[in-house]
Amino acid sequence: QSALTQPPSASGSPGQSVTISCTGTSSDVGAYDYVSWYQQHPGKAPKLMIYEVNKRPSGVPDRFTGSKSGNTASLTVSGLQAEDEADYSCASHAGGGIVIFGGGTRLTVL
Amino acid sequence: QVHLEESGGGLVKPGGSLRLSCAASGFTFTDYSMSWIRQAPGKGLEWLSCVSPGNKHTMYADPLRGRLSVSRDDAKRSVFLQIDNLRAEDTAVYYCATENYFKSEYWGRGTLVSVSS
Repeated sequence: QSALTQPPSASGSPGQSVTISCTGTSSDVGAYDYVSWYQQHPGKAPKLMIYEVNKRPSGVPDRFTGSKSGNTASLTVSGLQAEDEADYSCASHAGGGIVIFGGGTRLTVL
Repeated sequence: QVHLEESGGGLVKPGGSLRLSCAASGFTFTDYSMSWIRQAPGKGLEWLSCVSPGNKHTMYADPLRGRLSVSRDDAKRSVFLQIDNLRAEDTAVYYCATENYFKSEYWGRGTLVSVSS
């Protein structure tokens, strides 16, 4: 059960789009459509942004989209806004009821 | 309004044990499994354990299996995590969260556990 792999940082200017990757294996990301993404501002609890690869909970802007190809999932934030600056973590079901997280990506809005 | 509140954190000596609690309100508690997730200082999130309604199923992350014990009291709308043989690397903020189809929609604010002599 190794952690999913995310880039440590990503950045973009306001209005631009940025994509964060999340790479797992054929035993987790590649095996299940149970990939979720969480946003976390400093000192705050994580917030669910995407679940089941590409579904958005009520209240999450449609600027946030998720996708998956093979063993890699992605989160795209379009029309970047200052409030999008945060840490983003992916998570995946890994079989047997287990969930594994990625190491997190710090998104900076330039 | 959903509310999850963790308690029981604090300073513990290496080798000690701790029992964390999480009180839930604002939703049908028995509709959700409940998970514990931690975050060490400056590090990423780490899923630890999950318990289904009625304690029917319990799951643990392999690295900590054997040192964790999760349970819940559905009548009291509470979930618990016992951590044994604490080590310095267990220092983290511990969150409880709802879990439904491997997603955590609602989170508490977390409770800090510090392991130090």
